Amino acid sequence: DTAVSQTPKYLVTQMGNDKSIKCEQNLGHDTMYWYKQDSKKFLKIMFSYNNKELIINETVPNRFSPKSPDKAHLNLHINSLELGDSAVYFCASSQDGLGAWEQFFGPGTRLTVL
Amino acid sequence: AQSVTQLGSHVSVSEGALVLLRCNYSSSVPPYLFWYVQYPNQGLQLLLKYTSAATLVKGINGFEAEFKKSETSFHLTKPSAHMSDAAEYFCALSGATNKLIFGTGTLLAVQP
Repeated sequence: DTAVSQTPKYLVTQMGNDKSIKCEQNLGHDTMYWYKQDSKKFLKIMFSYNNKELIINETVPNRFSPKSPDKAHLNLHINSLELGDSAVYFCASSQDGLGAWEQFFGPGTRLTVL
Repeated sequence: AQSVTQLGSHVSVSEGALVLLRCNYSSSVPPYLFWYVQYPNQGLQLLLKYTSAATLVKGINGFEAEFKKSETSFHLTKPSAHMSDAAEYFCALSGATNKLIFGTGTLLAVQP
């Protein structure tokens, strides 16, 4: 059983398009995250949701809109894709929003914008 | 402000040799510290974490790390490297909240 799953694994699209990435966790966790890993492997948090409520928004362009229909799902919608959006996007989850809990990561979605 | 510095973006060791990956942190609050491993084209997997209990933390796959407050360090070690240890390693910290701050990563190569 996959703990944190993401779809799709690969996403190739043209500039200006709109795309979505889906994430699901079956761990019963309350908190979910989106991270962006750039071409130099640097990881940076984008968003965090706790029980469907946005708690972290790290100055991400508003072309990126996360949506949490329930606490097991956190989707990422990206409007008007730009070349600089090319990266690997990771979803993660943790027991709750406290710093001591480890985060469980999904396998990543490699987004390529042409 | 919180930050993590990983010294050495690339480390190469021989199989059977000691692995030492360095991590220093800066935090205005007591930190929680983590080491994650990323194998090619995969997500991150937790190796170990420090959450203010024992300062010497043992993790999976024979790795351990020691929290040294005086040196603001949390270096990762393994006595004997195995070929399967070749991967990218990330040190990360959080404070009272769940916002993880990552270091820039260290790519470990293991030579036969």
